[in-house]
Parts: sequence; C-alpha cells; structure tokens
Amino acid sequence: DTGVSQNPRHKITKRGQNVTFRCDPISEHNRLYWYRQTLGQGPEFLTYFQNEAQLEKSRLLSDRFSAERPKGSFSTLEIQRTEQGDSAMYLCASSGRLAGGGPYEQYFGPGTRLTVT
Amino acid sequence: AQSVSQHNHHVILSEAASLELGCNYSYGGTVNLFWYVQYPGQHLQLLLKYFSGDPLVKGIKGFEAEFIKSKFSFNLRKPSVQWSDTAEYFCAVPPDSSYKLIFGSGTRLLVRP
Repeated sequence: DTGVSQNPRHKITKRGQNVTFRCDPISEHNRLYWYRQTLGQGPEFLTYFQNEAQLEKSRLLSDRFSAERPKGSFSTLEIQRTEQGDSAMYLCASSGRLAGGGPYEQYFGPGTRLTVT
Repeated sequence: AQSVSQHNHHVILSEAASLELGCNYSYGGTVNLFWYVQYPGQHLQLLLKYFSGDPLVKGIKGFEAEFIKSKFSFNLRKPSVQWSDTAEYFCAVPPDSSYKLIFGSGTRLLVRP
C-alpha cells in the first residue's frame, strides 16, 4: 500500500458551484479524517469516521459541507454552493492498528487544493 | 477549549546551527503528542511521537523532543540542522476522548547553506 491518496489534487471552481473530493485511506485503516488548511495555519479538523460511521464533526463544517464513507473504505467530501472563503487545502488522513502505529497516529494524503473564483 | 501553541512562526538558521522549536498545549489529561513535518511540495509526515514512558523521544532524521509535563511543553530539537531540514513543522495533540488532532499554527524553518 502506498499511503493515503486524494483526488483531484487541484480544483478550481466558480463561486456557487458544487465540488466533491475523494480520499482513499491506507487499506485496513478503520479511521478516516478530513482537515482543512489555509495559508499560514495548521490543519483544522473537520470530521472523522470510524469505519462507515461519522463520529465527530467540527462546528467549522457548515451545512454546505457533507462527508460520507460508504462501506468504510474511501470517503468523499462535498461542498455545495462554494464560497471564496472555502478556498483552502483539504487534507485527508487515516489511522488504525497497524504494527508500530496506534489509533492516534495519522497518515496524511497530499491534499486537494481548492480555489474558488 | 483545548489548544496548541507554537510561538516561533518563522525561524532562519545557518547549517550546523542547533534548533529548538517550542510547543505548548493547554490541558493536562492523558497526553499523546506529535510533531509533523511538511517539506516543500510534500504532504505532512510524522516526525516523532510521545505516548508514554521516557519523556525524551527520538524521531527520524536526528530530531528529538522532550515532554515536560509541568510546563505543558513538547519542544522539538536538533543539534545540527541541514539545508534539507527546511520545512514547516507542526505540533499536534489529540484532545481527551477524541482521535482527532489539534494542530499548532506551525513554524516555518529556513536553513541557509
């Protein structure tokens, strides 16, 4: 397994459009996380899944944001009616009980950079 | 609310200089502590971690960090930096009863050859 993958890597969209991002975690990792990172800041937690259940959502996750993880494998993050303030890097991470790791040790993907014009 | 503070936002060093980056967290429950690094154009990578035991932990590429419970700190150190250490460094902590991570705002390190 080569790690966490995210698609697309870059997305440019016009304000008001909907966008969807995909994350494929490390296989057999049961937890999957979404974060958002803006310039000069650390990643901010958005939501996380344990298997297919969405267990926690940040207050940053407005009604325009929705995340799913059907069948407990890949996950999608959708943003409806995008706004310029949504422009950021969207990061996905996963964690699980691999040898040498633990439930808190998260492995990050390369991110999807969203630009809303 | 739980928080993580990194006081040095930008650090510029010459090669072979010693490095210490500060990280303070705001609560005193069960503590798991992480440093992540993001090299230019690359994704976040785990540098080192503390779960329990010896408060001095060693990570990859010669980095180490010391957990000082009384000071709520987990400072990152390296005795002699290299140009290839140029990157952004993030301290992170999972708050109690959650697996998510709270990150500091990061420290951008530039090492001049």
